[in-house]
Amino acid sequence: SQTIHQWPATLVQPVGSPLSLECTVEGTSNPNLYWYRQAAGRGLQLLFYSVGIGQISSEVPQNLSASRPQDRQFILSSKKLLLSDSGFYLCAWSPAGVAQGDYNSPLHFGNGTRLTVT
Amino acid sequence: GESVGLHLPTLSVQEGDNSIINCAYSNSASDYFIWYKQESGKGPQFIIDIRSNMDKRQGQRVTVLLNKTVKHLSLQIAATQPGDSAVYFCAEMRETSGSRLTFGEGTQLTVNP
Repeated sequence: SQTIHQWPATLVQPVGSPLSLECTVEGTSNPNLYWYRQAAGRGLQLLFYSVGIGQISSEVPQNLSASRPQDRQFILSSKKLLLSDSGFYLCAWSPAGVAQGDYNSPLHFGNGTRLTVT
Repeated sequence: GESVGLHLPTLSVQEGDNSIINCAYSNSASDYFIWYKQESGKGPQFIIDIRSNMDKRQGQRVTVLLNKTVKHLSLQIAATQPGDSAVYFCAEMRETSGSRLTFGEGTQLTVNP
């Protein structure tokens, strides 16, 4: 079966420090990968998605970047964190082909990283 | 603009009662809808989905109803249990956007013993 792992679960970082959140998926090949951010008590905002190695699409302009160095690895980064970067960051995957219109397979989420920028 | 939103931010029910969580969407081109459940400190968990060519779909203790005329989606939970307490999100996707889901703000369901 497929599993998704995110780490760390919680993180407290000072303003101006760098960030690296990692997400890996097991049990599937060539998944579509996503990074979402969730503000407290709010819905999910899509930040980045990737349909393959090295292919990153950004949904909103921001202080963050994403990379996909391996098929099942997705990394969220920042060179200098802002206070507004605080939030709950969720990685998700969907089977290959969903982005091409086969939308019967929903997103599967990791358990998230709670980031607090102080 | 296009949006997916929920009618009520909170819902409190008694254990054993049925729960109904509502969701409105504004884009008539939306053709795939999903309900997610998110427990505190965890990622959203898939509950049930429905395509726009259906009006109703049933799962274990859950039913999703889709009214395309008024662009309304609901999640019904039968015999609500304390373990059902969570935030419930509806999400919609349009075929032209591939698998990029748009999420509503969420409804906090609290089940009282």
